Amino acid sequence: RKEVEQDPGPFNVPEGATVAFNCTYSNSASQSFFWYRQDCRKEPKLLMSVYSSGNEDGRFTAQLNRASQYISLLIRDSKLSDSATYLCVWMDSSYKLIFGSGTRLLVRP
Amino acid sequence: DAGITQSPRYKITETGRQVTLMCHQTWSHSYMFWYRQDLGHGLRLIYYSAAADITDKGEVPDGYVVSRSKTENFPLTLESATRSQTSVYFCASSDGGGSSYEQYFGPGTRLTVT
Repeated sequence: RKEVEQDPGPFNVPEGATVAFNCTYSNSASQSFFWYRQDCRKEPKLLMSVYSSGNEDGRFTAQLNRASQYISLLIRDSKLSDSATYLCVWMDSSYKLIFGSGTRLLVRP
Repeated sequence: DAGITQSPRYKITETGRQVTLMCHQTWSHSYMFWYRQDLGHGLRLIYYSAAADITDKGEVPDGYVVSRSKTENFPLTLESATRSQTSVYFCASSDGGGSSYEQYFGPGTRLTVT
């Protein structure tokens, strides 16, 4: 079983839509979680950290459910510029990042 | 220029040749990492380094060698390239602990082994 599992998508949504991605992880000792964004043929960049209490950054909301071992990313009012691959990531105790394969989002006009 | 850079950006080599991918960062970050990214696998850690002269294996280290004699440089060498090492290679750096866990990635090197 992969340590981080994501639906590869693609999720194809119209502008203005709300879209949510889930990601499950297998290591119950995982402490730190993140969402990274990767544009086509570009390097990954940190989108947001995920805290136990949930956190929001503008149109983006991330949540962590430790009991069910999943994290989620909600994007409201989707923009064309949100089209990208979203990588679910957790960090182990040695500061190494474990990446999911990514969920591809396509926002259409 | 400030930031993290990789060279070359594109490389085509033949099976059996030795190839070195360069990574340079200007932030004096303690931690540096090498990943490869392949379709269906996401990013997989090859090697990482917590400081100069300290390196450790990641998930897929076989066929690769690293060194870190200076904090700012972290070269990755493919000792005898194989077709299975055709991939996109990303270098990253991080402060590690403290208030920032964020890893900053270089632009990547696209390597093709023929």
